[in-house]
Amino acid sequence: GENVEQHPSTLSVQEGDSAVIKCTYSDSASNYFPWYKQELGKRPQLIIDIRSNVGEKKDQRIAVTLNKTAKHFSLHITETQPEDSAVYFCAARRGDNNDMRFGAGTRLTVKP
Amino acid sequence: DTEVTQTPKHLVMGMTNKKSLKCEQHMGHRAMYWYKQKAKKPPELMFVYSYEKLSINESVPSRFSPECPNSSLLNLHLHALQPEDSALYLCASSLTGVNQPQHFGDGTRLSIL
Repeated sequence: GENVEQHPSTLSVQEGDSAVIKCTYSDSASNYFPWYKQELGKRPQLIIDIRSNVGEKKDQRIAVTLNKTAKHFSLHITETQPEDSAVYFCAARRGDNNDMRFGAGTRLTVKP
Repeated sequence: DTEVTQTPKHLVMGMTNKKSLKCEQHMGHRAMYWYKQKAKKPPELMFVYSYEKLSINESVPSRFSPECPNSSLLNLHLHALQPEDSALYLCASSLTGVNQPQHFGDGTRLSIL
């Protein structure tokens, strides 16, 4: 089955700096890669996703890049703000089923 | 914002009790999911329903019994749980078809005494 590895497990940045979180996956048939943000005591919230026919996707301060050959994808947050502080999970899923696997999570802290 | 509603928000039960968790969505999603999340861990997939039929069961113990009575509702029946089953139980839903995003409810925080 799919195995998703996520790094780093914790990340601390100064407000205004950029943050990068990286994930690798094992199943070459995976073709959908969402990113979720989970604040303490709240539900995981989808912030951006990318499909395997696209190499990069941007939404304001958030971008995701995908390298299918190397089987890794990354989340980039620019101009970080304290409210970006949360746990971020990457995930990978095959298109032919609904079995989605999560990475272990990255706790991002943005210091004011 | 998408709405997946879970009840109750909190549940405390003894090991001999029987209780049910409920999940509801009215977005026309025909795929629904149960996840278990322990503290500081990612969500772990338990069950997937597609068009009200169980399509994935991730070797979950039989003390957890899912049910999908219609396209809007998903239940998780609990019986004879163990203390290690204490966790946040998350429901999610999505459109069926390739690469549709899953949207999560707020979860039920379950504590087993």
